Amino acid sequence: GQQLNQSPQSMFIQEGEDVSMNCTSSSIFNTWLWYKQDPGEGPVLLIALYKAGELTSNGRLTAQFGITRKDSFLNISASIPSDVGIYFCAGNAGGTSYGKLTFGQGTILTVHP
Amino acid sequence: GAGVSQSPRYKVAKRGQDVALRCDPISGHVSLFWYQQALGQGPEFLTYFQNEAQLDKSGLPSDRFFAERPEGSVSTLKIQRTQQEDSAVYLCASSFRTSGNRETQYFGPGTRLLVL
Repeated sequence: GQQLNQSPQSMFIQEGEDVSMNCTSSSIFNTWLWYKQDPGEGPVLLIALYKAGELTSNGRLTAQFGITRKDSFLNISASIPSDVGIYFCAGNAGGTSYGKLTFGQGTILTVHP
Repeated sequence: GAGVSQSPRYKVAKRGQDVALRCDPISGHVSLFWYQQALGQGPEFLTYFQNEAQLDKSGLPSDRFFAERPEGSVSTLKIQRTQQEDSAVYLCASSFRTSGNRETQYFGPGTRLLVL
């Protein structure tokens, strides 16, 4: 099935470093979402973006909804060990899509203390 | 408060066996989604319920997959004659109202299915 193109696939960083990951699509989305998934758990919503160009922050996390509505990025500043996990972007096409989400392949983040 | 719960958390099935996976959404949530997550991949949409009505089943991979939500709360995803390619994590999510762009979907922990 269709998935968003998310990069990088994995990142190994030192505690305190900043992180950036992005997501692109060939289709337009009306909503972009960023989730974090810990081992053995379901995804948890971090940030939701509803308007093209929107820039939203949640603590050390900042995400932007691309102007073309076909991309989004997530930044994490001053990473800490508990940031370890898999980060997924997801898009919702809106309209009659019933809130159905299309996910990226995920970015595996490892933070070394 | 209680989140979305799923059972069993782990299921090992022999090829050809039927399995049933249960989802208990957050109380009062109208919308319920099932997703399939293969190893190393993001979740992929399977089906959507609004109350007891199954409004979209376009993501179900074959007619061996069947989902129901008869009373508009608990949902069951059934897989008949399981195949090895069915091995995955099956995630359930619910949201308070009918979809809209701004409805947050809350995910359960998933059921990890392994077909031998």
